[in-house]
Amino acid sequence: DTAVSQTPKYLVTQMGNDKSIKCEQNLGHDTMYWYKQDSKKFLKIMFSYNNKELIINETVPNRFSPKSPDKAHLNLHINSLELGDSAVYFCASSQLRAVEAFFGQGTRLTVV
Amino acid sequence: AQKITQTQPGMFVQEKEAVTLDCTYDTSDQSYGLFWYKQPSSGEMIFLIYQGSYDEQNATEGRYSLNFQKARKSANLVISASQLGDSAMYFCAMRELGAGNNRKLIWGLGTSLAVNP
Repeated sequence: DTAVSQTPKYLVTQMGNDKSIKCEQNLGHDTMYWYKQDSKKFLKIMFSYNNKELIINETVPNRFSPKSPDKAHLNLHINSLELGDSAVYFCASSQLRAVEAFFGQGTRLTVV
Repeated sequence: AQKITQTQPGMFVQEKEAVTLDCTYDTSDQSYGLFWYKQPSSGEMIFLIYQGSYDEQNATEGRYSLNFQKARKSANLVISASQLGDSAMYFCAMRELGAGNNRKLIWGLGTSLAVNP
């Protein structure tokens, strides 16, 4: 069983569209994260939810909206996609007080 | 401010030799954790090893060991007996663990390791 699963793995879409990336974890963790990895491989935190409550909201355009329907899911919705949104988006989960974060396999978003 | 520095964009090592990937960090917190992750060409992020700031012993996990020098704020990853499958990007990351922290990971820019047969 995959611990942290993201769908889709690849997403190609046109500028201006709205798209969602889904993330689910079956580890019983209380905290989930979205990270963005740019073309230079730099990883940066975007959002984090602990027990469905937003605890990290870095400087991200408000076109990006995370939604956590329950502790096991953290979805990322992106409105009005722009070319600069092209990146790999990683979902991760952990226990808030724990050490290790487990990552999904990433979603490669390409905006054309 | 928190910062992770990896000064080696790319490294080469001969198969079966050891290699050290450098990582230095900056934090004003006393309690923090240091991580190394591997990202192969397939893209997933794989946790390798963890070192807590209060851990007295250097962390080891199989062929991976972390050379933790707290006074110098360095946390270098040592891979012994390199294998072809070790070719990947390696990221150093830090998380401040003090009360009230939101536990986000701060990442370095990564080091691309190529293992030559």
